[in-house]
Amino acid sequence: AQSVTQLDSHVSVSEGTPVLLRCNYSSSYSPSLFWYVQHPNKGLQLLLKYTSAATLVKGINGFEAEFKKSETSFHLTKPSAHMSDAAEYFCVVSEAGNQFYFGTGTSLTVIP
Amino acid sequence: AAGVIQSPRHLIKEKRETATLKCYPIPRHDTVYWYQQGPGQDPQFLISFYEKMQSDKGSIPDRFSAQQFSDYHSELNMSSLELGDSALYFCASSLPSSFRTQYFGPGTRLTVL
Repeated sequence: AQSVTQLDSHVSVSEGTPVLLRCNYSSSYSPSLFWYVQHPNKGLQLLLKYTSAATLVKGINGFEAEFKKSETSFHLTKPSAHMSDAAEYFCVVSEAGNQFYFGTGTSLTVIP
Repeated sequence: AAGVIQSPRHLIKEKRETATLKCYPIPRHDTVYWYQQGPGQDPQFLISFYEKMQSDKGSIPDRFSAQQFSDYHSELNMSSLELGDSALYFCASSLPSSFRTQYFGPGTRLTVL
């Protein structure tokens, strides 16, 4: 069975400081993992994805995530937060099927 | 680059009415997914279609139905609307590959009064 746990429902950082959004998953097989971002009143946008290639995945807008199988984690990071990063972030897992499982989301606030 | 198109973007209906939401996938994408996102909730998977056939079913109410047409666009039909159906409805599409990265449309905001 697949599931996704986003460990923080809210994260608040100061502009210019690092961002860490945590995600743990459970999966019976080798999963595909994704991070999506949703800005207010906007559709979901793909930030990055892991599909069994390099474990460190670089995405758009300076975000990256590292797949750690031993820890069943796929945390999202960014070295320096920007005001425009304020949004809702979803960690998603799929086992190459047609159904994707979403985490409950992490709301990122960036303080000027 | 072309994106997923959803129409209408906003829809207001009254209880017990019907609504039809449309989704036009990215060209050459053969799989379409529907999600419902209630206020303050994470998106919930409703249903998906692959090559015009239903491929997976999630938490879609019996009052809802959907289909994918020969041009790959999809429609979500909602009947006997309830106040709780007020939500943002996302459509996503993906390429025919093993790792089905989904590209999301902007969503249709349905308000049931």
